[in-house]
Amino acid sequence: DAMVIQNPRYQVTQFGKPVTLSCSQTLNHNVMYWYQQKSSQAPKLLFHYYDKDFNNEADTPDNFQSRRPNTSFCFLDIRSPGLGDAAMYLCATSRSAGGNQPQHFGDGTRLSIL
Amino acid sequence: GDSVTQMEGPVTLSEEAFLTINCTYTATGYPSLFWYVQYPGEGLQLLLKATKADDKGSNKGFEATYRKETTSFHLEKGSVQVSDSAVYFCALPSGNTPLVFGKGTRLSVIA
Repeated sequence: DAMVIQNPRYQVTQFGKPVTLSCSQTLNHNVMYWYQQKSSQAPKLLFHYYDKDFNNEADTPDNFQSRRPNTSFCFLDIRSPGLGDAAMYLCATSRSAGGNQPQHFGDGTRLSIL
Repeated sequence: GDSVTQMEGPVTLSEEAFLTINCTYTATGYPSLFWYVQYPGEGLQLLLKATKADDKGSNKGFEATYRKETTSFHLEKGSVQVSDSAVYFCALPSGNTPLVFGKGTRLSVIA
């Protein structure tokens, strides 16, 4: 019954080695989001897609990029991970970008950097 | 910009105790308000929401009322269980930001 699925749940990569995290959804929602959540903090929005329209947050580092090849899938690419990028990465979806639309989250990918 | 302020945690309660987690907001207009819950090792789940003043959201025994006059959306539950142990986030949409979260309040319920 999982509706927003993130793979893998745990990812280990080396300092500076590119890594891709994936997210898929079975809800057919128009909007997909990527958040970074560090320990004991609130999720921080990195970017979101409204359909194919990409919206980057102003303070998202250039090191982070995203792709959405179709409605169901969205990827987070970290080009050269640094130690500070170790975090939980959460994918979420919503039916539309309207302010009263709830977001549906996956269980996240915990990224560790060696 | 719009923001939410939550009470600092952690909050530790005994089973069957009454829970209140305070949330106040600053916003232009009257946005929808949300409470999300994050259980250990999981993503966030929508707990409840309210879309206009005086609305009460409720789910799983939790309630929160949208109070325009006090700009608050406090979360309450009459009798907490160990399974309610989690982090609770108050949130609202703001301008081009789909959701602005509070810092979260960790709740621990002990048997």
